[in-house]
Amino acid sequence: GAVVSQHPSRVICKSGTSVKIECRSLDFQATTMFWYRQFPKQSLMLMATSNEGSKATYEQGVEKDKFLINHASLTLSTLTVTSAHPEDSSFYICSAISGGQGETQYFGPGTRLLVL
Amino acid sequence: QKEVEQNSGPLSVPEGAIASLNCTYSDRGSQSFFWYRQYSGKSPELIMFIYSNGDKEDGRFTAQLNKASQYVSLLIRDSQPSDSATYLCAVRPRRDKLVFGAGTILRVKS
Repeated sequence: GAVVSQHPSRVICKSGTSVKIECRSLDFQATTMFWYRQFPKQSLMLMATSNEGSKATYEQGVEKDKFLINHASLTLSTLTVTSAHPEDSSFYICSAISGGQGETQYFGPGTRLLVL
Repeated sequence: QKEVEQNSGPLSVPEGAIASLNCTYSDRGSQSFFWYRQYSGKSPELIMFIYSNGDKEDGRFTAQLNKASQYVSLLIRDSQPSDSATYLCAVRPRRDKLVFGAGTILRVKS
């Protein structure tokens, strides 16, 4: 299957700082990437859909000014959590569509964010 | 009605038995269906996808799709303790993004 990487895998930051998470498709071009958040023992929650070269589409209730998404190339999307607060602590997972394999969606390994 | 529904479980099966995981969906126009496995603390990994009615087999896994009944299932034969995880059913309606069920917790007891 296609490979999606995320960096960093884990980050601890102070409240009020910004954190950038990178998502890369390693062996395919991803025209569409997705960002999810998952709290402990809860299901995946889609935050936004990111299309290369255009503005991200945010799900209802997700603050677009707080969660900045940039999809500058066909292999890279970034999520920046601005002015992070403890309630933003969560598991952030990106995924990408590999059109060459019937539009199967592959997930990155996730980034665990802890805001102190 | 949720777009994709799964029994949250936990579903407990003894080692070596067949585990049967079920999923129903509401959008009759859905075209593709996926099963993901998620271990605790990890991201989901793709197990199988199915597009056509009927069965699709891959090793110990069999996906079954019945579009008329809006039902998709995953069978795991010869269940192993390492199969213990949360299994996510995902459906792609006419839109481009997957809709996930909440997942079924599977526990395989040795």
